[in-house]
Amino acid sequence: GQNIDQPTEMTATEGAIVQINCTYQTSGFNGLFWYQQHAGEAPTFLSYNVLDGLEEKGRFSSFLSRSKGYSYLLLKELQMKDSASYLCVPNTGFQKLVFGTGTRLLVSP
Amino acid sequence: DVKVTQSSRYLVKRTGEKVFLECVQDMDHENMFWYRQDPGLGLRLIYFSYDVKMKEKGDIPEGYSVSREKKERFSLILESASTNQTSMYLCASSLGGRNEQFFGPGTRLTVL
Repeated sequence: GQNIDQPTEMTATEGAIVQINCTYQTSGFNGLFWYQQHAGEAPTFLSYNVLDGLEEKGRFSSFLSRSKGYSYLLLKELQMKDSASYLCVPNTGFQKLVFGTGTRLLVSP
Repeated sequence: DVKVTQSSRYLVKRTGEKVFLECVQDMDHENMFWYRQDPGLGLRLIYFSYDVKMKEKGDIPEGYSVSREKKERFSLILESASTNQTSMYLCASSLGGRNEQFFGPGTRLTVL
């Protein structure tokens, strides 16, 4: 079984920093993906964490704590185009991934 | 870069028609997936395939079938389309191990 918990919706202002938290419980765990999905479009890959710690990629960073079943996605210098849903997706080692509804982020001017 | 393509971006069909949605990937991925996504909901897995001619049902297989005759191509078939199959259909592929899924652009299907 698998359980993922992340906020349904968040709002932030252009230029600000926002942190999207995710807690998960899975029967197996190889790593954790973050995907971005704009309305009406397909999800696109943002990051993949296997080991504990922070991985930075431009304005986006992702953190993982395997022992706590916790991850977060940090978005800096927010832009209007960052308005999207952000999906926290554990890789349990099986071919299938479970994509929930994620966190809908609304960035305002 | 991995490329996943889908045969149509928009499709309009009539109730009772047989509908074929095609998906092609160019990176020799063994796994391919079909999802549907409706407003306010997450992606729901319809079927997936982990090898040529192999398939497994996902969470919502009723009313759908699939075909994978070649490694690069995975087809979704609506045997007799119904209005409740109006949805966005997304295809994805992945390599085993890392299991990162790469998505096609999606097909927005409307059944009248």
